[in-house]
Amino acid sequence: DVKVTQSSRYLVKRTGEKVFLECVQDMDHENMFWYRQDPGLGLRLIYFSYDVKMKEKGDIPEGYSVSREKKERFSLILESASTNQTSMYLCASSSRNRPTNEKLFFGSGTQLSVL
Amino acid sequence: AQRVTQPEKLLSVFKGAPVELKCNYSYSGSPELFWYVQYSRQRLQLLLRHISRESIKGFTADLNKGETSFHLKKPFAQEEDSAMYYCALSIYTDKLIFGTGTRLQVFP
Repeated sequence: DVKVTQSSRYLVKRTGEKVFLECVQDMDHENMFWYRQDPGLGLRLIYFSYDVKMKEKGDIPEGYSVSREKKERFSLILESASTNQTSMYLCASSSRNRPTNEKLFFGSGTQLSVL
Repeated sequence: AQRVTQPEKLLSVFKGAPVELKCNYSYSGSPELFWYVQYSRQRLQLLLRHISRESIKGFTADLNKGETSFHLKKPFAQEEDSAMYYCALSIYTDKLIFGTGTRLQVFP
């Protein structure tokens, strides 16, 4: 079974801190995604990556960056955390051989609180 | 612009009642539509996709291109159906746009 693992379930940071959210998948998937999940707003795509060293902006990339140095790992970086980035962050992956429009596998999420 | 609209934030029904979770989309191309579900303390997972025309856990969804809708239906709700449901639209093969979600509460 596909495993998408997010390193932290809960994270509390202070305004202005640099924050790293890590995501690892074990199924050799090419595509990886970062969403944030907010009540009443649903899931919004922040960044995604089709391959190592590649990245594409999603719908709400402002205030975020990403890193994909290895195929299995996709990191979300908040350069200077702000209170409006308090949210649940979901990582997801999919195989190029089985396109995203068939199945997207999600991690358990990281609930980030910025104080 | 591409958009997925789920007009109900919360839908409450009693066990055994029919359920319909509404989803409307806007997209000028040929849509691929999905329903994802998130049970309490579990990760988000695929429930069904229109292309398969399948029934999962008693749920079905029919794509109506004329009304640009993809409503999720179940004739008899069960308590274990209580969850957060998201409708999603695939605009390219690699991206999904999600709606705002509907929380379904099924009371005993």
